[in-house]
Amino acid sequence: AQSVTQPDIHITVSEGASLELRCNYSYGATPYLFWYVQSPGQGLQLLLKYFSGDTLVQGIKGFEAEFKRSQSSFNLRKPSVHWSDAAEYFCAVGKTGTASKLTFGTGTRLQVTL
Amino acid sequence: NAGVTQTPKFQVLKTGQSMTLQCAQDMNHNSMYWYRQDPGMGLRLIYYSASEGTTDKGEVPNGYNVSRLNKREFSLRLESAAPSQTSVYFCASSEAFEQYFGPGTRLTVT
Repeated sequence: AQSVTQPDIHITVSEGASLELRCNYSYGATPYLFWYVQSPGQGLQLLLKYFSGDTLVQGIKGFEAEFKRSQSSFNLRKPSVHWSDAAEYFCAVGKTGTASKLTFGTGTRLQVTL
Repeated sequence: NAGVTQTPKFQVLKTGQSMTLQCAQDMNHNSMYWYRQDPGMGLRLIYYSASEGTTDKGEVPNGYNVSRLNKREFSLRLESAAPSQTSVYFCASSEAFEQYFGPGTRLTVT
């Protein structure tokens, strides 16, 4: 069975600083990988996804992520964080088969200091 | 397009009461999902429906039932609520792997 690990429960960065959120997955085949963001009291919004091809993928709001098969990682990055990026971030892996089920990590809460 | 809508937004139940959480999507997606979100545990899949007329158990189905009423609607029922079912419930829909989420229902069982 696939699994996703987000080792950082909580991260604090200063506005304008760079950000990297870690995600490691366990899956036997080529995974479909996702990053979602959840603002307080809201549902989840897709930031970006990786299915195949170029291992560096660009998403919305200036985020990018790099798929590294050798490290089983799909880390999320942003060069310069804005205060509005404060939210919870979830990494997810997709399992092929019916219904396109996703397995989510436990999330990383990002706090941005001014 | 409203996307994925859920009702109600908030609900308080007493132990043993029943209720149904409603979900509808207007994106003509085949697949729909119910998740629960608890602090420190991410999202866990309760039930899913690959297409109209089919439903399957997810990771944490005990204490819940679902109905895929038609292609648009997927409801989640708690027959006899327990305090352990206090959570935030999210509905999602997808055509491929990209899932679209509703705003959630915050349920408290006392």
